[in-house]
Amino acid sequence: AQSVTQLGSHVSVSEGALVLLRCNYSSSVPPYLFWYVQYPNQGLQLLLKYTTGATLVKGINGFEAEFKKSETSFHLTKPSAHMSDAAEYFCAVSATNTGNQFYFGTGTSLTVIP
Amino acid sequence: EPEVTQTPSHQVTQMGQEVILRCVPISNHLYFYWYRQILGQKVEFLVSFYNNEISEKSEIFDDQFSVERPDGSNFTLKIRSTKLEDSAMYFCASDRGQIGREQYFGPGTRLTVT
Repeated sequence: AQSVTQLGSHVSVSEGALVLLRCNYSSSVPPYLFWYVQYPNQGLQLLLKYTTGATLVKGINGFEAEFKKSETSFHLTKPSAHMSDAAEYFCAVSATNTGNQFYFGTGTSLTVIP
Repeated sequence: EPEVTQTPSHQVTQMGQEVILRCVPISNHLYFYWYRQILGQKVEFLVSFYNNEISEKSEIFDDQFSVERPDGSNFTLKIRSTKLEDSAMYFCASDRGQIGREQYFGPGTRLTVT
């Protein structure tokens, strides 16, 4: 079975500071990993994903994430926060061998302080 | 850019009533999904639909739920007799059906059962 844990339901950073949103997963097989962002009154938008290959993946809006199998982690980072990054962020995993449903974390609300 | 749309954005209903939530997936996508998010909890998978039949469903998706693709564009979720605990945000998603595929999400329908 797959599961996702996002540490920190609320994260606040100053504008220009590093953003680090944590995601750990539990999976019986190597999963596919995703980060989604949700702005108010909008749907979930894909930021980036890891399937195979390079473990450091780059996404939209300057975000990147690194798949660390030994730590079962897929933390999301951005070197310099912008006010427009304020949103809800969801980490998700899907199994590579059984179906295509996504398992989501509880989400992290990012606040950017001017 | 094509997107998944959902109607209505907010639905209020009385306990015991039937509701139908509507979604229009991206036109060339093959798999369709419903997820829900109870306030403060994680996004949970309900059901996936492919080739006009359910391909997977979770334990949440019991007999009071049903899905249908009545025509070539709409994908609906019906709840036959709503309960208070059905109050949640319901997300529709679709994808192309490729390996490592990301799902494209709609903005959600907030269902409030009173």
